[in-house]
Amino acid sequence: AQSVTQPDIHITVSEGASLELRCNYSYGATPYLFWYVQSPGQGLQLLLKYFSGDTLVQGIKGFEAEFKRSQSSFNLRKPSVHWSDAAEYFCAVGYGYSTLTFGKGTMLLVSP
Amino acid sequence: DAGVTQSPTHLIKTRGQQVTLRCSPKSGHDTVSWYQQALGQGPQFIFQYYEEEERQRGNFPDRFSGHQFPNYSSELNVNALLLGDSALYLCASSSRTGEETQYFGPGTRLLVL
Repeated sequence: AQSVTQPDIHITVSEGASLELRCNYSYGATPYLFWYVQSPGQGLQLLLKYFSGDTLVQGIKGFEAEFKRSQSSFNLRKPSVHWSDAAEYFCAVGYGYSTLTFGKGTMLLVSP
Repeated sequence: DAGVTQSPTHLIKTRGQQVTLRCSPKSGHDTVSWYQQALGQGPQFIFQYYEEEERQRGNFPDRFSGHQFPNYSSELNVNALLLGDSALYLCASSSRTGEETQYFGPGTRLLVL
């Protein structure tokens, strides 16, 4: 069965510092990969997605993610974190319109 | 261009009652998926509707049912509510013939007392 692992439940980063959130997946074949962000009490906003091609993908709000097939990973990065980035981040895998399997999320806290 | 909309935003029910949640997909999308997100967890897939039929279903009991209308909007019904049904219910829309990415609505927060 497919699964998504986000090993960090909470991460605290100083404002202006770089960020990397980890995501590993277990799937029958290379799936589509997504990162979503959720602010408290809100729905999910799509940050970026990988379907095929260039393994480094750019998203909104200055985020990027790199797909590494050999490691079954799709880590999210941002070079300089802003206080407004504090939220919960979810990695998800699936096949486009098909069902998505989500990780348990990583809560990002930004310290001044 | 309106995104995915859901109603109501919040709902309080008691055990044993029934509830109906509604979702309107993003313009141009024909597929609606429903997810349940318990507190502190990632969303869990409930089911997906396309062409007014349930196409895929996650590991949820028959108390959870749905419907899709000709205008692609959808309803999620939950019968015989349990305390454990308290969660944020998210609707996502996508297109099988175009943009495959799922876009989510703001969710309906259900509290069962």
